[in-house]
Amino acid sequence: AQKVTQAQTEISVVEKEDVTLDCVYETRDTTYYLFWYKQPPSGELVFLIRRNSFDEQNEISGRYSWNFQKSTSSFNFTITASQVVDSAVYFCALSEPDDKIIFGKGTRLHILP
Amino acid sequence: DAGVTQSPTHLIKTRGQQVTLRCSPKSGHDTVSWYQQALGQGPQFIFQYYEEEERQRGNFPDRFSGHQFPNYSSELNVNALLLGDSALYLCASSLGQGPYEQYFGPGTRLTVT
Repeated sequence: AQKVTQAQTEISVVEKEDVTLDCVYETRDTTYYLFWYKQPPSGELVFLIRRNSFDEQNEISGRYSWNFQKSTSSFNFTITASQVVDSAVYFCALSEPDDKIIFGKGTRLHILP
Repeated sequence: DAGVTQSPTHLIKTRGQQVTLRCSPKSGHDTVSWYQQALGQGPQFIFQYYEEEERQRGNFPDRFSGHQFPNYSSELNVNALLLGDSALYLCASSLGQGPYEQYFGPGTRLTVT
């Protein structure tokens, strides 16, 4: 069965520090998709990235980067030079083709000024 | 470009009552998914509608039902409300079925007393 584990419930870092959010997933399928979403205090989930299982190339988007490693079933998310506006709950999610998206329980990130 | 809208924003109901939540997808999107997010948890998939039919369903009882209209908007109905149904209900839209990027609405906060 599909499963997404975000072991870090809550993280606090000082502004400008780098922070990595961990995500470990379980799936029986060879074709699947991984996502990261951000949920700011307003409550609306914001899509950050989608990665399919055949593309292990790491991705960088500004201060955000993602490290996908199939060998360890992990899809970690790093924020470089964190800012207060990065404070939010971040969700990792997994979907197999034609199946529902399974979310992890989320990591609450506090960026302290 | 209008994003996903949901109504109402907040709702208070009594145990045993019925409730209807509404969602209008992002312009150009034809698929609507509904999620339940309990406090401190990740969103849990309820069901997905495409071409006015329920295409996928999560582990929710039959008390949860839905509908999609020809204009792609959708309703979520919950009958015989339980205290445990209190949660944030999120609607997400996407273009086509499958694990595509989903755009979320701000949610409806349902409180059952």
